[in-house]
Amino acid sequence: SQTIHQWPATLVQPVGSPLSLECTVEGTSNPNLYWYRQAAGRGLQLLFYSVGIGQISSEVPQNLSASRPQDRQFILSSKKLLLSDSGFYLCAWGGRGTTGELFFGEGSRLTVL
Amino acid sequence: GQQVMQIPQYQHVQEGEDFTTYCNSSTTLSNIQWYKQRPGGHPVFLIQLVKSGEVKKQKRLTFQFGEAKKNSSLHITATQTTDVGTYFCAGNGDSNYQLIWGAGTKLIIKP
Repeated sequence: SQTIHQWPATLVQPVGSPLSLECTVEGTSNPNLYWYRQAAGRGLQLLFYSVGIGQISSEVPQNLSASRPQDRQFILSSKKLLLSDSGFYLCAWGGRGTTGELFFGEGSRLTVL
Repeated sequence: GQQVMQIPQYQHVQEGEDFTTYCNSSTTLSNIQWYKQRPGGHPVFLIQLVKSGEVKKQKRLTFQFGEAKKNSSLHITATQTTDVGTYFCAGNGDSNYQLIWGAGTKLIIKP
């Protein structure tokens, strides 16, 4: 069966520090991968999606970046965090070439101080 | 751009009362999905509707997709404490890779 792992689960970072969140998927090949952000009590904002290794599409211009170095690995990064980067970050995967359901990781709760 | 409006933002109900959330899209959707997010958790897929006028049931949950494929609803009969959470609709528009998300409706059970 397919599983998705996301880490770290929680982190507190100072303004200006770097960020790296990692997500890996097991049990499937060639998934579409997604990074979402959710502000407290709000809906889901799509940040990046990827349809293949090295292929990243950005939905919201900001100081975050994403990379997909391997088929089932998706990384969210920042060189310098802002206060406004605080939120709940969710990685998700979906079947290649489908418009079907998304499977979410457990999420990473980021607080920037 | 395409938008999906979801109302209400919050709904407070007594345990045993019904709950309904509605989604309306500015454009026709190829399908609509519903997710549930428990407090502190991640969204979990509930169901996908594809056909115009489709109605699906999961125990006490009834999902509808409008005839014009622009609106959808989720109705929960006789809510229980386990139903607490935020319910999101998400539609597929003209892109195969992006879902257009509603803002969610938070179901709160009154003590």
